[in-house]
Amino acid sequence: KAGVTQTPRYLIKTRGQQVTLSCSPISGHRSVSWYQQTPGQGLQFLFEYFSETQRNKGNFPGRFSGRQFSNSRSEMNVSTLELGDSALYLCASSRDLSGANVLTFGAGSRLTVL
Amino acid sequence: QQQVKQSPQSLIVQKGGISIINCAYENTAFDYFPWYQQFPGKGPALLIAIRPDVSEKKEGRFTISFNKSAKQFSLHIMDSQPGDSATYFCAASAPDDYKLSFGAGTTVTVRA
Repeated sequence: KAGVTQTPRYLIKTRGQQVTLSCSPISGHRSVSWYQQTPGQGLQFLFEYFSETQRNKGNFPGRFSGRQFSNSRSEMNVSTLELGDSALYLCASSRDLSGANVLTFGAGSRLTVL
Repeated sequence: QQQVKQSPQSLIVQKGGISIINCAYENTAFDYFPWYQQFPGKGPALLIAIRPDVSEKKEGRFTISFNKSAKQFSLHIMDSQPGDSATYFCAASAPDDYKLSFGAGTTVTVRA
């Protein structure tokens, strides 16, 4: 059974650019959550999508956005990149809306902003 | 701000020893407390989880102790092995919140 697949695994951008990250959940999982992981802040919740609708959003600026497609695949976008956006972006899928459901994480997309 | 406070930031234990990681929370609505384990280059993976209706849960060498009145919970790794060297995150969620609030993480190093 394939796990959660995130692409790209590594990318380097410069300030002001934008980036799109992709996440393919486990087959049959309808919920996709995104988290930002940094050494100082740990894992911070970005947003969750279920049935193509954003169900919850963390405390991040509007430059961070996402969407979910009908096949449950999800993308997140960060516009006007800042140095502080350098982080590991983790996608997690679960069968239903998360919270008490088991989250299965992908290996992450490591973004470096120069 | 961090809704779940985790300590210590890192710890070193000898093979066969006990690793103890502590977490504290303020939100009394939290009703689900998982622990995730993360190896370098990998995403976190669920290790063990507990609900507040029990005070302890054990799975193999891993035990969660839960103190509802103190709003604290901890992970004990018994007979620590080098393969347990990883970063451990505690987390919590509330009903209908659809997200996990994670602690800052503890890096555990088990020396052979």
